Amino acid sequence: DIVMTQTPLSSPVTLGQPASISCKSSQSLVHSDGNTYLSWLQQRPGQPPRLLIYKISNRFSGVPDRFSGSGAGTYFTLKISRVEAEDVGVYYCMQLTQFPWTFGQGTKVEIK
Amino acid sequence: EVQLVESGGGLVQPGRSLRLSCTASGFTFGDYAMSWFRQAPGKGLEWVGFIRSKTYGGTTEYAASVKGRFTISRDDSKSIASLQMNSLKSEDTGVYYCSMDVWGQGTTVTVSS
Repeated sequence: DIVMTQTPLSSPVTLGQPASISCKSSQSLVHSDGNTYLSWLQQRPGQPPRLLIYKISNRFSGVPDRFSGSGAGTYFTLKISRVEAEDVGVYYCMQLTQFPWTFGQGTKVEIK
Repeated sequence: EVQLVESGGGLVQPGRSLRLSCTASGFTFGDYAMSWFRQAPGKGLEWVGFIRSKTYGGTTEYAASVKGRFTISRDDSKSIASLQMNSLKSEDTGVYYCSMDVWGQGTTVTVSS
């Protein structure tokens, strides 16, 4: 199974400041079709998960442009350009390149 | 508006069965693969399984932890995906979500005597 490792596991940030989360996979996430199926999800407190980013850097419908994804191969990053109060929650990276699909441990973003 | 609504959760004894449903609206259900995920209390997300659209054979994939006990099916005429869970264990306790990029609100399954 592909192991996904996120850092940090906790990220206290100041409102209006940037935040960054890293995700490393135990093997390349490049699929045989040439795509890299790495997604980022947000889970606000008491809410279901919500897809933010798919295929490394594509924002899902309705996702604010302060969220961006980057990376390649085995190393990926989610950046929030200016953190807002509604961004508090746990963020997960997820690989869909190979079954079983696997998640990172989650990174808790909270306001300082 | 795309919407997924899970139902069928509840309290069940170890070894018994439960069937979850995911009712979809707002999109052409038959065109999409559907996935099930779960989240144990206070824990992270876990993928449970996946069913392809009929265009791609309607075949399924499962996590090792549920393979042989859980079965995913779909009824495109009713826009419903189902998760049949047999031989339930305490470690199957959690909130179960269906998803096709959009996620439902989830339904809670508690396996306890």
